[in-house]
Amino acid sequence: KQEVTQIPAALSVPEGENLVLNCSFTDSAIYNLQWFRQDPGKGLTSLLLIQSSQREQTSGRLNASLDKSSGRSTLYIAASQPGDSATYLCAVTFSGGYNKLIFGAGTRLAVHP
Amino acid sequence: EAQVTQNPRYLITVTGKKLTVTCSQNMNHEYMSWYRQDPGLGLRQIYYSMNVEVTDKGDVPEGYKVSRKEKRNFPLILESPSPNQTSLYFCASSLGLDSWGETQYFGPGTRLLVL
Repeated sequence: KQEVTQIPAALSVPEGENLVLNCSFTDSAIYNLQWFRQDPGKGLTSLLLIQSSQREQTSGRLNASLDKSSGRSTLYIAASQPGDSATYLCAVTFSGGYNKLIFGAGTRLAVHP
Repeated sequence: EAQVTQNPRYLITVTGKKLTVTCSQNMNHEYMSWYRQDPGLGLRQIYYSMNVEVTDKGDVPEGYKVSRKEKRNFPLILESPSPNQTSLYFCASSLGLDSWGETQYFGPGTRLLVL
C-alpha cells in the first residue's frame, strides 16, 4: 500500500531556530513530491515541488530534499519566524497515479516569539 | 487573480438531505479533483476529472458524485449525506498537461457537518 508518513506530528520552537520536518513514503517509484502549507481557513499553498529526477529544491528560507532510494524527504526551514506557524503537508504522486496526491497527516508547527 | 473557489465554505445539514458543493477555477485547467481531510488521515482523493465529461473515482468515492460539464466547474454532490461524511473538503486543479504530476492549486476548503 502506498503511504506517506510525517514526523513529528507537532512541533513548537522559538523564533530564529532552524528546523527540519520529515516525510517518508513506502514506494520509491514516484513521479514527484510536494510540500504544502495549510493555514486555517485558507486552503493549501504549494511550497516546493521536487521531481523524481531531482535531489532538492529551494525557495527563500525553505529547502526540500528528496532521497527516493530511502523513501525520505525533508523540509528545512531556516531562521524560523512566527509567520511560519502552520501545518505542513507532504504529498507524493506515485508512479501510475495520474496527478493523484497521497498526503501525509501533516506536521503542525508553532513558532513562538 | 488566479484561484480555485468553493461554495459554501461552511455547511451544516442533516442526514439524507441532498447537497452540492461547488468548485470553480479561473486558470483554464484541464485537471480537477476533490479531496477530503480527516484528523490523523491526511487528505484523500474522492474523485478526479482529466477533462470535460471525463471523471473517475479516487480512493474514497463511496457516497459521492461529481460532474464536469464545463472546464471551469467541478461540483461535488452528496445525494444522501451521512454523519461519516462530516469532513473538510478541498477542490484542486492543475494544468493537466503532464500526467507525471504537476503543481496543484487548492481551494480554501468547505467544512461540512452532517447531523
